[in-house]
Amino acid sequence: ETGVTQSPTHLIKTRGQQVTLRCSSQSGHNTVSWYQQALGQGPQFIFQYYREEENGRGNFPPRFSGLQFPNYSSELNVNALELDDSALYLCASSLGGGKGYTFGSGTRLTVV
Amino acid sequence: DQQVKQNSPSLSVQEGRISILNCDYTNSMFDYFLWYKKYPAEGPTFLISISSIKDKNEDGRFTVFLNKSAKHLSLHIVPSQPGDSAVYFCAAAGNFGNEKLTFGTGTRLTIIP
Repeated sequence: ETGVTQSPTHLIKTRGQQVTLRCSSQSGHNTVSWYQQALGQGPQFIFQYYREEENGRGNFPPRFSGLQFPNYSSELNVNALELDDSALYLCASSLGGGKGYTFGSGTRLTVV
Repeated sequence: DQQVKQNSPSLSVQEGRISILNCDYTNSMFDYFLWYKKYPAEGPTFLISISSIKDKNEDGRFTVFLNKSAKHLSLHIVPSQPGDSAVYFCAAAGNFGNEKLTFGTGTRLTIIP
């Protein structure tokens, strides 16, 4: 059973650029969520996808967008990057039912 | 507005003793509570959860207690082992499995050999 894998592991971008982060969910998991973890903070919910449809969104501007594909993998896109977007971005997948989400190791994004 | 709070940024405990990590929440709509453990350069790992209809859940060395009236939960680890040294996050959900997790800011636990 494979876990959640994210790519790339590290990324440096310039302010104003666009970035795409990728996530392969755990086999059979149909729900994927994205979180942003700033330094010294807990993860903050960005949005969730269930069977390719957005199923909840946190307090993030529209320049944060996402996709879920038929195989349940997912992308997080961020446009017009700002310095404050520098953070660890975590993808989590779930089958529901009380067993918790399985998190990937994250993508460390640095915006300079 | 921090709906889930972990007021102790760090905690040091002697190996073999009990570690108690605390978490408070403000939103009465939360139905499920979870604890995650995070090592550096890894994603959070699910430890244990508890439904709001229970006041205790146990899994091996880990026990979570929920006090709904006080909006407080705690994670007990006994006995504490060096491998338990990590950052622990408390998280809450309104309808587990279908909604977002709201996380606290974490407590760094250090087990002293």
